[in-house]
Amino acid sequence: SQQGEEDPQALSIQEGENATMNCSYKTSINNLQWYRQNSGRGLVHLILIRSNEREKHSGRLRVTLDTSKKSSSLLITASRAADTASYFCATSDMRFGAGTRLTVKP
Amino acid sequence: DTGVSQDPRHKITKRGQNVTFRCDPISEHNRLYWYRQTLGQGPEFLTYFQNEAQLEKSRLLSDRFSAERPKGSFSTLEIQRTEQGDSAMYLCASRGPWDPPDTQYFGPGTRLTVL
Repeated sequence: SQQGEEDPQALSIQEGENATMNCSYKTSINNLQWYRQNSGRGLVHLILIRSNEREKHSGRLRVTLDTSKKSSSLLITASRAADTASYFCATSDMRFGAGTRLTVKP
Repeated sequence: DTGVSQDPRHKITKRGQNVTFRCDPISEHNRLYWYRQTLGQGPEFLTYFQNEAQLEKSRLLSDRFSAERPKGSFSTLEIQRTEQGDSAMYLCASRGPWDPPDTQYFGPGTRLTVL
């Protein structure tokens, strides 16, 4: 069964805007990961945040983790058309949510 | 391109036929995972190998599904007597012994369509 659940299911923004996606999970975790998947392709690992971390940055990506609320968020700043993809969170036992479909309009 | 390859990329078959998919992980990656992904959903874990040993199997892996990794390198996933509900993308991922925990490299997937 899937563990993480992303919100919203779909997000459409203009190029240059920020995109925020949320993930909720059900059980205790050691870490949480975010992946990107372009249409019809495999998943690409974006960033991993450990359970003792609250925030992590990588380039234009910012991930937060709130273990008390069992939730995480992924922020993509200054979005580009090339960021158009589906984004998934996965818990440390590699259970994925249904994903957020992000569309960035040029 | 992560270096994990899967073959074929697409497979169309008739209900009741057997199909076999192959995954070639990154060289020297000792861990190999299989996932199934249906349209609009995230990947669902199927099974996991460490070297040639199959260490974990999901209850999703019915008796029609079998996976092997005979020499600890490439892996095959076979589905017998395919059903329309087997239509999905089958993803393979691998991880090396020195990679950060829980970081996996995914292949492009094999898209199966059962008519």
